[in-house]
Amino acid sequence: KAGVTQTPRYLIKTRGQQVTLSCSPISGHRSVSWYQQTPGQGLQFLFEYFSETQRNKGNFPGRFSGRQFSNSRSEMNVSTLELGDSALYLCASSSTPSGTGAVGNTIYFGEGSWLTVV
Amino acid sequence: AQSVAQPEDQVNVAEGNPLTVKCTYSVSGNPYLFWYVQYPNRGLQFLLKYITGDNLVKGSYGFEAEFNKSQTSFHLKKPSALVSDSALYYCAVSPKSGGSYIPTFGRGTSLIVHP
Repeated sequence: KAGVTQTPRYLIKTRGQQVTLSCSPISGHRSVSWYQQTPGQGLQFLFEYFSETQRNKGNFPGRFSGRQFSNSRSEMNVSTLELGDSALYLCASSSTPSGTGAVGNTIYFGEGSWLTVV
Repeated sequence: AQSVAQPEDQVNVAEGNPLTVKCTYSVSGNPYLFWYVQYPNRGLQFLLKYITGDNLVKGSYGFEAEFNKSQTSFHLKKPSALVSDSALYYCAVSPKSGGSYIPTFGRGTSLIVHP
C-alpha cells in the first residue's frame, strides 16, 4: 500500500510569506506527526494530530500551526517565514496515537518537503 | 525528560567488515527503542524496534540491534557492511508509559562504507 505522501517536495519562499505543506498518511493511519529537520538542530518534533485533534505540540513558536482533516490528511502552515525556517519538514503517520505505547508505536515517514526561505 | 545520545557523528567501515553504530538513552521506566535510516534527500525509513522480550532485535536489510538495560544502550549492528548501507542513522526512544509517547531522536550518525 502507498506510503506517506508529502507535497510539495520542494519550494522556495521569501521572508515574510507563509507556506502550507500537505501530508497524506498511510491508508488506515489516523495519527499524523510533523518534524523539522535541520543540519544544526537535527530532528525536532512540531506537533501530532489524531482524529482531527492536536494531541501534542513541540517547542515551536505560534507561527507554526497545523490541522488534520476527517480523512486523516494533515496540513502544516508556517506564517511570516524567517530564514531560519529553511529545513526539511517531515510528516510521519502511525496507526495509533501517542500514549498508547503498549504496542511500541512505529511511525512511518514521508519523503519530506524541502523549504528554502530567501 | 528522555534523551538519546549517538556519540559518533560519523562511522567509517570497509565493505565486508562488521559495523556498529552506537546509541545510548535516558528515559523514565522501560523504553521503546527504534532505529531509522535516512538516505540522501529522502525521508526516514524504519529499520527495527525493541519493545520487550529478546534483547537482540533483527530488522531490515540484515541489521540488528542489542538492547542492554544495564548500560542503557541500543547499538545497531550488521555482520558485513555494504557500500549501499552508507546513510544517516537515527536512534529514537520513547517511554512505555506515562505522559506523552512522542519519540526523541538522536542527532544521527553518518555511516560511510568504503569499497
